[in-house]
Amino acid sequence: DADVTQTPRNRITKTGKRIMLECSQTKGHDRMYWYRQDPGLGLRLIYYSFDVKDINKGEISDGYSVSRQAQAKFSLSLESAIPNQTALYFCATSDFGDYNEQFFGPGTRLTVL
Amino acid sequence: GDSVTQMEGPVTLSEEAFLTINCTYTATGYPSLFWYVQYPGEGLQLLLKATKADDKGSNKGFEATYRKETTSFHLEKGSVQVSDSAVYFCALGRRALTFGSGTRLQVQP
Repeated sequence: DADVTQTPRNRITKTGKRIMLECSQTKGHDRMYWYRQDPGLGLRLIYYSFDVKDINKGEISDGYSVSRQAQAKFSLSLESAIPNQTALYFCATSDFGDYNEQFFGPGTRLTVL
Repeated sequence: GDSVTQMEGPVTLSEEAFLTINCTYTATGYPSLFWYVQYPGEGLQLLLKATKADDKGSNKGFEATYRKETTSFHLEKGSVQVSDSAVYFCALGRRALTFGSGTRLQVQP
């Protein structure tokens, strides 16, 4: 079984809908991250969490919110999706003190029409 | 703030050719540096890392040296294979990762 899983893997939705992307990990890591990938822009950080009670905004948090339900679960929500949120979304985890080596999930491809 | 600049792709090479993908960074202090690889349809995998100046990371025939004086972390491989075709990302690590834009490598038989 994969160490970092994301659901759904693909999602098509309409403008204005609320969407939740979920991430679960079995690596026992405290730190979890959400990134989005756009062609030619690499990955950009949306939110990150260093433990259940710690949530931090990243470079592009506007229009997104997150919930850290447990050490192993970190969800990303789009309260009212818009077309420019069409992207590939990745969850990642890392352990404390490991020079921030991160382990990535397989990604969720989100299309907002 | 931190930033990472990579050479634009795609880079197209014949099998067994020498590969260099340039990466430079802007940052204060001594962040960790990484190369990640993304194969088609998959997430990112760590390829190699270096945690301090002059460190050389290596894995699967790929190498990169952390050069503080030139703020660079160029990726090299002496002889590429078709199976190396992927997108390669240089990244800088602090509280989270800052990525370059990625370089697509296409290796032809």
